[in-house]
Amino acid sequence: KQEVTQIPAALSVPEGENLVLNCSFTDSAIYNLQWFRQDPGKGLTSLLLIQSSQREQTSGRLNASLDKSSGRSTLYIAASQPGDSATYLCAVQPSGTYKYIFGTGTRLKVLA
Amino acid sequence: EPEVTQTPSHQVTQMGQEVILRCVPISNHLYFYWYRQILGQKVEFLVSFYNNEISEKSEIFDDQFSVERPDGSNFTLKIRSTKLEDSAMYFCASSGAAQGGNYGYTFGSGTRLTVV
Repeated sequence: KQEVTQIPAALSVPEGENLVLNCSFTDSAIYNLQWFRQDPGKGLTSLLLIQSSQREQTSGRLNASLDKSSGRSTLYIAASQPGDSATYLCAVQPSGTYKYIFGTGTRLKVLA
Repeated sequence: EPEVTQTPSHQVTQMGQEVILRCVPISNHLYFYWYRQILGQKVEFLVSFYNNEISEKSEIFDDQFSVERPDGSNFTLKIRSTKLEDSAMYFCASSGAAQGGNYGYTFGSGTRLTVV
């Protein structure tokens, strides 16, 4: 059974720092991995999608990497800003399924 | 940018009542999903829907739940007899493809269901 774990659970950093959020999953048989952002009481905003054949994806200050064989992904945020404060969720789509399995998230606070 | 629209944003219902949560997926998407998030817990998959039938469902999605695409634009989740433990944020999502490929999900902003 696929399980997704994210560490740290919470992170507080000063503005301008570069930071790394970690995601691990137990079964490497996946189609895709997505990183989402969730603001309090709000929906999920897709940040980056990495297909199983890809190693990384970049969007602006965000870079996500995927090491499928070791069951790991990292989300790198460069030059963090207070507006980046949110919960970041990692989700994997196991092969042969339609669903995504989510991690518990990393709650990020960027201090001005 | 295309959006997935969910209504209502918040619904309060009495235990045992039926509720219908509504979603308008992105117009050219073919795959539709419901997820839920109980406060403080993980986002959990409920059901996926394609070509007017359920393509996959979780153990949570029991006989109390049903989904429907009554017309070309709406996608609904019905809970027949709500329980206190159904209180959660329910998210609708849609995608252009289901498995693999460069098609991510687009989620709606959610309906917060409170069962009293």
